[in-house]
Amino acid sequence: DAKTTQPPSMDCAEGRAANLPCNHSTISGNEYVYWYRQIHSQGPQYIIHGLKNNETNEMASLIITEDRKSSTLILPHATLRDTAVYYCIVRVQGAQKLVFGQGTRLTINP
Amino acid sequence: DTGVSQNPRHKITKRGQNVTFRCDPISEHNRLYWYRQTLGQGPEFLTYFQNEAQLEKSRLLSDRFSAERPKGSFSTLEIQRTEQGDSAMYLCASSLNPNTIYFGEGSWLTVV
Repeated sequence: DAKTTQPPSMDCAEGRAANLPCNHSTISGNEYVYWYRQIHSQGPQYIIHGLKNNETNEMASLIITEDRKSSTLILPHATLRDTAVYYCIVRVQGAQKLVFGQGTRLTINP
Repeated sequence: DTGVSQNPRHKITKRGQNVTFRCDPISEHNRLYWYRQTLGQGPEFLTYFQNEAQLEKSRLLSDRFSAERPKGSFSTLEIQRTEQGDSAMYLCASSLNPNTIYFGEGSWLTVV
């Protein structure tokens, strides 16, 4: 699985959009980008995934660059409950395991 | 609550003792996973079941660790002769497809 690079921490004001970057410059053509988050003392929670097109669901939007070497997770209106560690993961579709890195610790400030 | 259920949530044991964790996946989820997470690190994959078959095991799963899913429903993770390095949170997850995996709250193990 390709390695991902994320900033260790970020801050965002409540009500603003939180933009979390992820670099995956060695991603292969058949690898998807997944985002999970982990709120303190809870299990990880699936957010969104995509291959090359931008994706949006009720939680977030995923923007993948045309060369697929990086992506951005966007939480459009961050709330205090969005404070968590966010993990960007690349994985071949059909592979079973997720390889978690260190993630980005996002803090939403009132 | 229809999420992934793990028991016990917390376990303190003496070094050398055996411990067993149970996971009840979301109903009808045929895929079940175990992960381990130590403080400050992301979760690490341990093993994967599809129905009752254990199809993938990490090298992290030493011979002291054994996981079962006898009827393709609940699963158990047993650690024999626990060591202090086994102290971690053990996460269970389930899914119908590999894209959307649902994790439980985890079982915290402290070996003293």
